[in-house]
Amino acid sequence: DIVMTQTPLSSSVTLGQPASISCRSSQSLVHSNGNMYLSWFQQRPGLPPRLLIYKVSNRFSGVPDRFSGSGAGTDFTLKISRVEAEDVGVYYCMQATGFPRTFGQGTKVEIE
Amino acid sequence: QVQLQQWGAGLLKPSETLSLTCDVYGGSFRDYYWSWFRQPPGKGLEWIGEISHSGNTNYNPSLKSRVTISVDTSKAQFSLRLSSVTAADTAVYICARESGSSDSRGAFDIWGPGTMVSVSS
Repeated sequence: DIVMTQTPLSSSVTLGQPASISCRSSQSLVHSNGNMYLSWFQQRPGLPPRLLIYKVSNRFSGVPDRFSGSGAGTDFTLKISRVEAEDVGVYYCMQATGFPRTFGQGTKVEIE
Repeated sequence: QVQLQQWGAGLLKPSETLSLTCDVYGGSFRDYYWSWFRQPPGKGLEWIGEISHSGNTNYNPSLKSRVTISVDTSKAQFSLRLSSVTAADTAVYICARESGSSDSRGAFDIWGPGTMVSVSS
């Protein structure tokens, strides 16, 4: 299995300030077709995950542009340019290059 | 607006079989993959497996010997069966839709509300 490792596991951020989450995979996420299938999800308490980013940097429809994804190979990053109160939750990276799909441990984002 | 609605038993005894169904309302059924995930209380997400509209499946090897995912396209629904459950299978089980396009794998864009399944004697 591809192991996904997120850092930090928790982050306390001031409103309006940026936040960044790192995700590292145990092997390259470059698929045989040349694509990299790395997604980011937000999960608020009591709710299912919400898709933010897919294929490393593609923002899903309706996701605010303060969310951005980047990276290549084994190292990926989710950035929130200016954290808002509604961004509180747990963020997960997930790889879909190989089976089984695997997630990072999750990063809890709180407001300072 | 596409919606997923889940249903099934929420309380099981050890050794019983977990059975959940996810109904798909709205949108195409053919153009997507349909997955099951689970999340133990207070823990992270685990992918259980997926099925295409034509019945092609992929399972997590950690559960493969106990898992069956099936599809009924006439009813626009897919189902999960997990046999021989133990307390370790206690979790919220969630169904989800994934784009079938090779350009969008990993884009799980629609999720069910989740079903809490508890295993206790």
